[in-house]
Amino acid sequence: GQNIDQPTEMTATEGAIVQINCTYQTSGFNGLFWYQQHAGEAPTFLSYNVLDGLEEKGRFSSFLSRSKGYSYLLLKELQMKDSASYLCAVRDRQAGTALIFGKGTTLSVSS
Amino acid sequence: DTGVSQDPRHKITKRGQNVTFRCDPISEHNRLYWYRQTLGQGPEFLTYFQNEAQLEKSRLLSDRFSAERPKGSFSTLEIQRTEQGDSAMYLCASSYYQGKEELFFGEGSRLTVL
Repeated sequence: GQNIDQPTEMTATEGAIVQINCTYQTSGFNGLFWYQQHAGEAPTFLSYNVLDGLEEKGRFSSFLSRSKGYSYLLLKELQMKDSASYLCAVRDRQAGTALIFGKGTTLSVSS
Repeated sequence: DTGVSQDPRHKITKRGQNVTFRCDPISEHNRLYWYRQTLGQGPEFLTYFQNEAQLEKSRLLSDRFSAERPKGSFSTLEIQRTEQGDSAMYLCASSYYQGKEELFFGEGSRLTVL
């Protein structure tokens, strides 16, 4: 089966940089996604990695190492609105088509 | 098209009653997923449709749960004989089967079973 681990909570201050780690175990890795979810709202797509390396999109970057089963989401120039849950999800060919989500990391940004 | 829409947004019911949720996906999307999310947890996969065919079901989907997607458009998720443990947010997501296949989520239907 799949096992996705990410820290439960993190705190940071405005303007800082934070890195949220995710480790996973899959039988047939076929992509890793990061989603942002504000309290009471739907998850929204942030980034996608299927090959090793760094994907950058504005203040957000995501890194993948398939050999290590490891990814991180890097958030730069933190803003208060970045306070949310960040969900790591993987697609595993052996498990089917659906994304399998971790429990999420709740990030609190303070001024 | 404004995105995935779900109805109702909130449902309070008594234990033992049946409830039905509806999901209208993004119109050009051929895949539709149902997930369940409880407080402090990530979404848990329940079932998925490609067009009108239900192709995968999670072990979480007991026989009290049934989902349909007639004509490959909207989908319904019915829970029969609700239990307090069914209280959760039920999320619908849709995607277009191509490339990375990003999932677009609806706002969810929150179920409270008393």
